[in-house]
Amino acid sequence: EDKVVQSPLSLVVHEGDTVTLNCSYEVTNFRSLLWYKQEKKAPTFLFMLTSSGIEKKSGRLSSILDKKELFSILNITATQTGDSAVYLCAVENSGYSTLTFGKGTMLLVSP
Amino acid sequence: DTAVSQTPKYLVTQMGNDKSIKCEQNLGHDTMYWYKQDSKKFLKIMFSYNNKELIINETVPNRFSPKSPDKAHLNLHINSLELGDSAVYFCASSHAAGAFFGQGTRLTVV
Repeated sequence: EDKVVQSPLSLVVHEGDTVTLNCSYEVTNFRSLLWYKQEKKAPTFLFMLTSSGIEKKSGRLSSILDKKELFSILNITATQTGDSAVYLCAVENSGYSTLTFGKGTMLLVSP
Repeated sequence: DTAVSQTPKYLVTQMGNDKSIKCEQNLGHDTMYWYKQDSKKFLKIMFSYNNKELIINETVPNRFSPKSPDKAHLNLHINSLELGDSAVYFCASSHAAGAFFGQGTRLTVV
């Protein structure tokens, strides 16, 4: 069974801090790893990672994948209160084209 | 330009009723899913369809029946609704470029 474990489960930081969110996974036929930001209800797609060692960057957010060690990190620099959300990691199984989600990391950025 | 749209967004209904949630995607994706989000925000897959064919059916009560009339639609019909069915249900579609979620449907069974 495919498995995704995110850590920490929750995190409180001050504005301006840098945070690193972790995602480790086990998947039978890996296709990609995806990060989502969930606010209110619908997760917003952030990154899709398929190759090891290639950093994806979008503004203050960046992410990298290590397919050998089976993990990914999501970095957020100079955090803002608007970054407060649940961040979801998911792995895509190429065999079934399914997504297995982790339980998420709840990030709270205090002013 | 909505990519994945679900209707309705909110649904309040009484126990025992039958209801449907509709999902449509205009991305041309081959695979569509239904997820149930629990109170702890965890998304659990319920069904996955690829080109109108059911490929994943997790342990979900028989009262839940997905229907895919074409590749762009995956509807979820629920019979004999129970209190425990109250949750947010997400539809999603995916292709090589990633997965995209609908806004969710908050179902409340009273």
